[in-house]
Amino acid sequence: ETGVTQTPRHLVMGMTNKKSLKCEQHLGHNAMYWYKQSAKKPLELMFVYNFKEQTENNSVPSRFSPECPNSSHLFLHLHTLQPEDSALYLCASSQEGRGAVHNEQFFGPGTRLTVL
Amino acid sequence: GIQVEQSPPDLILQEGANSTLRCNFSDSVNNLQWFHQNPWGQLINLFYIPSGTKQNGRLSATTVATERYSLLYISSSQTTDSGVYFCAVDPLTSGTYKYIFGTGTRLKVLA
Repeated sequence: ETGVTQTPRHLVMGMTNKKSLKCEQHLGHNAMYWYKQSAKKPLELMFVYNFKEQTENNSVPSRFSPECPNSSHLFLHLHTLQPEDSALYLCASSQEGRGAVHNEQFFGPGTRLTVL
Repeated sequence: GIQVEQSPPDLILQEGANSTLRCNFSDSVNNLQWFHQNPWGQLINLFYIPSGTKQNGRLSATTVATERYSLLYISSSQTTDSGVYFCAVDPLTSGTYKYIFGTGTRLKVLA
């Protein structure tokens, strides 16, 4: 599946580092999402951008900072992370209307993050 | 909030066997998706199925929204079917762009 790409695929960082995760979707969608998948846990929604506006911030710590410069690109800026932030970070996109029914989401391959 | 439960949590099959995975949800939903997460972490869309039955090759899915469950059938399983299967629901009352994921069924198919 090349509709949603993510870079880097693997990242190891120290707690004092600053890094960014990048997501790009080639599906012409207008909504993009960041999810976190920790070991033995369900996927947790972190952020939602719809029509480039952040519409959801699921109580995520401020050391995670999203940026959506346009409807095709989504970044997750990381700063002073903790070892418990080590996880698989997944990006997704969908085409949303203004109604309450949400459409099919498509996922990127994920970035596996390790915080030392 | 809505609860999404999947069963069984773990399943081991011999190649060629059939299986049924179940997703129960505690409240009404607009939509439901089934995904297969391969060993490299990629989530692959299987079905987008708010209600009714769909088939795609050896896989089929049925959602009975009024009874709040969905089933994923895998026939003639292959080793490449191994991985984790997730259902995700779009709650009717959420009002936000939030799919809620179940905890998954981990499937291992033995050659």
